[in-house]
Amino acid sequence: DAKTTQPPSMDCAEGRAANLPCNHSTISGNEYVYWYRQIHSQGPQYIIHGLKNNETNEMASLIITEDRKSSTLILPHATLRDTAVYYCIATRGGGYNKLIFGAGTRLAVHP
Amino acid sequence: DAGVTQSPTHLIKTRGQHVTLRCSPISGHKSVSWYQQVLGQGPQFIFQYYEKEERGRGNFPDRFSARQFPNYSSELNVNALLLGDSALYLCASSLGLGDTEAFFGQGTRLTVV
Repeated sequence: DAKTTQPPSMDCAEGRAANLPCNHSTISGNEYVYWYRQIHSQGPQYIIHGLKNNETNEMASLIITEDRKSSTLILPHATLRDTAVYYCIATRGGGYNKLIFGAGTRLAVHP
Repeated sequence: DAGVTQSPTHLIKTRGQHVTLRCSPISGHKSVSWYQQVLGQGPQFIFQYYEKEERGRGNFPDRFSARQFPNYSSELNVNALLLGDSALYLCASSLGLGDTEAFFGQGTRLTVV
């Protein structure tokens, strides 16, 4: 699985968009980009994933660069409940469920 | 629908003892994975089971073992507990087909004293 690099921490004002970057320059062609988050004392929660194309769901948008070496998770209107550690993971799909978590980005949303 | 359930939620063990942690996946999910999360770090992959067979193993000693039952529930066993085994143990389930997401339980907090 490709190594990912994320900033250790970020701040965001409530109601503004939170843009969380991730570098995965060694990602291979069959690896997806997954995003999970972990709110304090809870298990990680799936947010979104993608292979090549940009993806959007009710929680967030995922923008993957054309060369697939980096991506950005966008929370369009951050709330205090979005304060969490966000993990970017590059991994194979097909039911292969070995997720390699790094240190993630600690996002603090403030009023 | 019930999510991934883990038991117990907390437990305290003494060094050298054995512990068994349990996980019930979401109904219909056939893949279960186990992770260890030490305080301040991201979860570390321990095992994946799919259709009752081990499909992946992380860099953990043989003191760690697991199994998956016909109903797809799973147990994680740790023998000869060390202080360093103190952690949050997370179970995740997924359908196991295609590029599917994993759903995590709330974890079992193990403290070894």
